[in-house]
Amino acid sequence: DTAVSQTPKYLVTQMGNDKSIKCEQNLGHDTMYWYKQDSKKFLKIMFSYNNKELIINETVPNRFSPKSPDKAHLNLHINSLELGDSAVYFCASSLRQSGDTQYFGPGTRLTVL
Amino acid sequence: AQSVSQHNHHVILSEAASLELGCNYSYGGTVNLFWYVQYPGQHLQLLLKYFSGDPLVKGIKGFEAEFIKSKFSFNLRKPSVQWSDTAEYFCAVNARGTGGFKTIFGAGTRLFVKA
Repeated sequence: DTAVSQTPKYLVTQMGNDKSIKCEQNLGHDTMYWYKQDSKKFLKIMFSYNNKELIINETVPNRFSPKSPDKAHLNLHINSLELGDSAVYFCASSLRQSGDTQYFGPGTRLTVL
Repeated sequence: AQSVSQHNHHVILSEAASLELGCNYSYGGTVNLFWYVQYPGQHLQLLLKYFSGDPLVKGIKGFEAEFIKSKFSFNLRKPSVQWSDTAEYFCAVNARGTGGFKTIFGAGTRLFVKA
């Protein structure tokens, strides 16, 4: 019974390619997030969606485009991948935006060659 | 701008030693505070949280944290660590900013407990 799931778990690709990471939560939460964790383990918010609407968009290159087809899904599409995009990407969800515990997915380790 | 500082990036302890990990934040308004843990190869999970009330919060696995409002701090403690506590620990602050509520994570503290 996975609460927050992500696919794929590992993604190895060449520079310049386009790739997508999918996230699904079965907790009935309203808010979903994408975080990037770099090699030093620093965790940075990228996007936040509440009820399918974008509410937080940090300074992330336009090559990153989140899409929320419904409340339970938040996918991340990345165009023209660069070496610096290599990181672990975590999806998370919370009941509401304000102050609730976030439940994290297992992460997607993206390696750009 | 909101920020979260974790003072110790790496901590090495022997089993049964006591642990205190520092966390300070900069935000003048009402905050919700969290400690998350990431065990090797696993995803982040909640250790404990503070919303209001008693500033001393108890979490899972014997961890506790104390919110000291005057010091903008939320330090994590455990009286006696175990080898299984080896993990990365993240302090996080949720507060209202431009565009709504946002959670900011500290840079993390890597704890290694020697058996």
